[in-house]
Amino acid sequence: GEDVEQSLFLSVREGDSSVINCTYTDSSSTYLYWYKQEPGAGLQLLTYIFSNMDMKQDQRLTVLLNKKDKHLSLRIADTQTGDSAIYFCPYSGGGADGLTFGKGTHLIIQP
Amino acid sequence: EAQVTQNPRYLITVTGKKLTVTCSQNMNHEYMSWYRQDPGLGLRQIYYSMNVEVTDKGDVPEGYKVSRKEKRNFPLILESPSPNQTSLYFCASRQGRNTEAFFGQGTRLTVV
Repeated sequence: GEDVEQSLFLSVREGDSSVINCTYTDSSSTYLYWYKQEPGAGLQLLTYIFSNMDMKQDQRLTVLLNKKDKHLSLRIADTQTGDSAIYFCPYSGGGADGLTFGKGTHLIIQP
Repeated sequence: EAQVTQNPRYLITVTGKKLTVTCSQNMNHEYMSWYRQDPGLGLRQIYYSMNVEVTDKGDVPEGYKVSRKEKRNFPLILESPSPNQTSLYFCASRQGRNTEAFFGQGTRLTVV
């Protein structure tokens, strides 16, 4: 299977909460990241969590980590049209260097 | 301003014509990487470098070369491009293995 698994698409109504999920096969990474890619742009770091944490909150963003199940989620409260993007949850590992990416989740906002 | 700069942003070329995509970072980062992004496949690492003159293959290195003669630059070289190398390419840099990666804006390459 994939090293990082994510759903390809998520559709939510504007104003609702979005929850994007990731599952890993390798849980040895010290940090787990969430990157956002807006249309036609590069990737920008949204937030990250240390592997010894269960939760991190940053304004509208809440990251939950279940290390036992190798599951990471990103909750976006009060989803706005500007949140429309592809979200990636890479981890450091799987080799000497580099970030291992999944296929990304396209977040689609319905008016 | 801390940034990773790639050039060109867009490139259309013909099969077999050698090309180079440049990448430069101004953060004095040790690590640099190249990725390609394809629909339905996410980002896949092509090559990476942990320091000057230290490079290694990523997951999809076939058909690519890189060099790291100085810390700030990490060019990606396609000696004989083929249509299956049509893709969106990203360069990234990081200070260490477990630090934030900064990405360039991407280079959209089309090989006809």
